[in-house]
Amino acid sequence: DAKTTQPNSMESNEEEPVHLPCNHSTISGTDYIHWYRQLPSQGPEYVIHGLTSNVNNRMASLAIAEDRKSSTLILHRATLRDAAVYYCILSRGGSNYKLTFGKGTLLTVNP
Amino acid sequence: DAGITQSPRYKITETGRQVTLMCHQTWSHSYMFWYRQDLGHGLRLIYYSAAADITDKGEVPDGYVVSRSKTENFPLTLESATRSQTSVYFCASSPGQGEAFFGQGTRLTVV
Repeated sequence: DAKTTQPNSMESNEEEPVHLPCNHSTISGTDYIHWYRQLPSQGPEYVIHGLTSNVNNRMASLAIAEDRKSSTLILHRATLRDAAVYYCILSRGGSNYKLTFGKGTLLTVNP
Repeated sequence: DAGITQSPRYKITETGRQVTLMCHQTWSHSYMFWYRQDLGHGLRLIYYSAAADITDKGEVPDGYVVSRSKTENFPLTLESATRSQTSVYFCASSPGQGEAFFGQGTRLTVV
């Protein structure tokens, strides 16, 4: 399975945009890119996912590099509630779909 | 109520006992997953299932058994619990390459 690399931690200020990077240089053509987050003492929560094109939803935006070897999760205006561990995950297309979590990025949001 | 439910939420058991953690989802999602999360660590995939009667090992399957006779249920059994299996267990379901929904977690302590 293709691996992802994320910074261990990042810090941001409230109401400022946050760009969380993810490298996945061994991604294959059928791999989807997923982002989940886990708030303290809670189960993981879906954020966004994409295959080739950039994606937007009410929570965030996902920017995927043209060669797909990296992606960036964008939180447009960070709030204190966005403080969490963010996981970038690749999943193989087709029937062998599974989500394997790495260590993720711990995002701290300063008031 | 629609959703994914894990039971029990908390369990204390003795070493050597058999324990079954239950997971039930109401969406008829094809895919279901079991993870464990140890204090201060990320989620590790134990087993996953693509459909009823189709299961596969994840990263850390030793000491665990799963079954999936019905689409909506995916129980996880510890055949002979050990202290190293003390952890928080999360179940998840997904229709496929999209949003996965996680349960509230089961905190298991083996004494």
